[in-house]
Amino acid sequence: AQSVTQLDSQVPVFEEAPVELRCNYSSSVSVYLFWYVQYPNQGLQLLLKYLSGSTLVKGINGFEAEFNKSQTSFHLRKPSVHISDTAEYFCAVIPNTGNQFYFGTGTSLTVIP
Amino acid sequence: GAGVSQSPSNKVTEKGKDVELRCDPISGHTALYWYRQRLGQGLEFLIYFQGNSAPDKSGLPSDRFSAERTGESVSTLTIQRTQQEDSAVYLCASSQGRSNYGYTFGSGTRLTVV
Repeated sequence: AQSVTQLDSQVPVFEEAPVELRCNYSSSVSVYLFWYVQYPNQGLQLLLKYLSGSTLVKGINGFEAEFNKSQTSFHLRKPSVHISDTAEYFCAVIPNTGNQFYFGTGTSLTVIP
Repeated sequence: GAGVSQSPSNKVTEKGKDVELRCDPISGHTALYWYRQRLGQGLEFLIYFQGNSAPDKSGLPSDRFSAERTGESVSTLTIQRTQQEDSAVYLCASSQGRSNYGYTFGSGTRLTVV
């Protein structure tokens, strides 16, 4: 079975400061990993994904994430956040032979002016 | 269309009534998912369609829930005899196929059962 844990339910950070949103997963098989962002009253938008290759993945809006297989983590980072980054962020995995995404419970990022 | 379109955006229904939610995927997308998002919780998988293959219905919570999709076209999610615990945002996503994994989500239908 697969599960995804986002340890921080809420993360407040000042504008232009760096941020890291943590994601750990558990799986008995190889998985692909994703980060999605959800702005208020909108659907989920793909930020980035790791399928294979380099473990450092760059996404949209200046975000990046690093896949660490030994620690089963896929933390999301941004060196300098903007007010517009205020949103809910979801980490997700899908088994490489499966159909179903498994989502974490989300991290609410609030950027403070 | 340019994105995944879901209708209605909001639905309030009385307990015990049936509701039908609609999803228009991006043209040419063969894969389609339905997810449920309860307040303050993560996304819960409901059902997955891939082309003309038999759908993966393993996430449907009860036999009151059903979904249909003809080919690569519109999908409908039907909830019969709605209960208050069915209140949630129902999200639809589509993709060109499993190998792409670039799923695009719709804005969802917010269902409130009173």
